[in-house]
Amino acid sequence: DIQMTQSPSSLSASVGDRVTITCRASQSISRYLNWYQQKPGKAPKLLIYAASSLQSGVPSRFSGSGSGADFTLTISSLQSEDFATYYCQQSYSAPRTFGQGTKVEI
Amino acid sequence: EVQLVESGGGLVQPGGSLRLSCAASGFTFSSYSMNWVRQAPGKGLEWVSYISTSRGTTYCADSVKGRFTISRDNAKNSLYLQMNSLRAEDTAIYYCARDEGTKEDKIYYYYMDVWGKGTTVTVSS
Repeated sequence: DIQMTQSPSSLSASVGDRVTITCRASQSISRYLNWYQQKPGKAPKLLIYAASSLQSGVPSRFSGSGSGADFTLTISSLQSEDFATYYCQQSYSAPRTFGQGTKVEI
Repeated sequence: EVQLVESGGGLVQPGGSLRLSCAASGFTFSSYSMNWVRQAPGKGLEWVSYISTSRGTTYCADSVKGRFTISRDNAKNSLYLQMNSLRAEDTAIYYCARDEGTKEDKIYYYYMDVWGKGTTVTVSS
């Protein structure tokens, strides 16, 4: 199974900050990497697919990059509604493993 | 409106069984592969199972293999998860999620673009 490791596990930031979350796969997964946002008590929401493609309706302050085994999610200017937990997930092979999550706090 | 609605969760004793359902609406259900994803209390997301459009291909996580079975009824626009031999560690919110694919440079990339609100399964005596 492919292991996905996110860092950091949590971070504190302020509105307007630039935030970067990294995700590393245990083997090369090309660009089969997706990012999701989850707020407390809510279902996950797709932000980025294929490593860098922005899902329709997602603000442009979110961006993704990377290929192979190393990936990054960047929020260019953190907004109050962005405080949530973020997960990466690989779709290269089954099981489609998730990272452990990164909680972005005020 | 594209929508997924899970049902069938509840309290069950260890060793018991439960069948979850996911009703799809607002899109052509038969054209999409589907997934189940779960989240234990205070924990992260765990992918559970996948089924292709025509039920020809299914996958399950090792943690549920041999106990859980995914299925679908395209005529009823419904996805199911039959859960047997339930354990305390199966306690979680169970989400169904649509599998979408995008072709870029002759390669298909897959992701879960529509999620239900989840149904809660509690395994306890």
